[in-house]
Amino acid sequence: GQQVMQIPQYQHVQEGEDFTTYCNSSTTLSNIQWYKQRPGGHPVFLIQLVKSGEVKKQKRLTFQFGEAKKNSSLHITATQTTDVGTYFCAGPINSGYALNFGKGTSLLVTP
Amino acid sequence: DAGVTQSPTHLIKTRGQQVTLRCSPKSGHDTVSWYQQALGQGPQFIFQYYEEEERQRGNFPDRFSGHQFPNYSSELNVNALLLGDSALYLCASSLDDTQYFGPGTRLTVL
Repeated sequence: GQQVMQIPQYQHVQEGEDFTTYCNSSTTLSNIQWYKQRPGGHPVFLIQLVKSGEVKKQKRLTFQFGEAKKNSSLHITATQTTDVGTYFCAGPINSGYALNFGKGTSLLVTP
Repeated sequence: DAGVTQSPTHLIKTRGQQVTLRCSPKSGHDTVSWYQQALGQGPQFIFQYYEEEERQRGNFPDRFSGHQFPNYSSELNVNALLLGDSALYLCASSLDDTQYFGPGTRLTVL
């Protein structure tokens, strides 16, 4: 079945450093979504990418969707302590509306 | 505008018991999905309801069942609980691809 893999599993950075997490799917995706889950919280939608090669920015966050629509990345510039949490990528299951999530990348930011 | 709500917040059960979790979707959303999130893992899709029918199902046994009501709210039922069913159960509502998650129900099976 379809698998979504994320690396790294954990990342510990000093505040102000950059951070990148990578997502790879075993199958081509119609779209990819990114979610953030704060410790003790629930996943919160960040963004959806649909087009091949698409790049979207949200303030210090940059999201990319690969040309083959099988991989994606999230880059955070100059991390802040408010960026702490686990970042998940997710792709549709069998072209439906339900999502197949990766295991996430947990980001810890030290002041 | 209320977001997705879930009840109860926490629940403790013993092996073999049955549990019912509830979810009210975001206003205007007609689709409800349920996910199981074990500690340190990503959410795993259980099933999705649309127009009171199960539209899509993940790789979960028949012990997991659900229901959607005419007002779009939903229930998740788990029978014959196992220790491995201990997890955060997340409900998500949607109109399209984007899922809006509720705060979850933390189920502990002893």
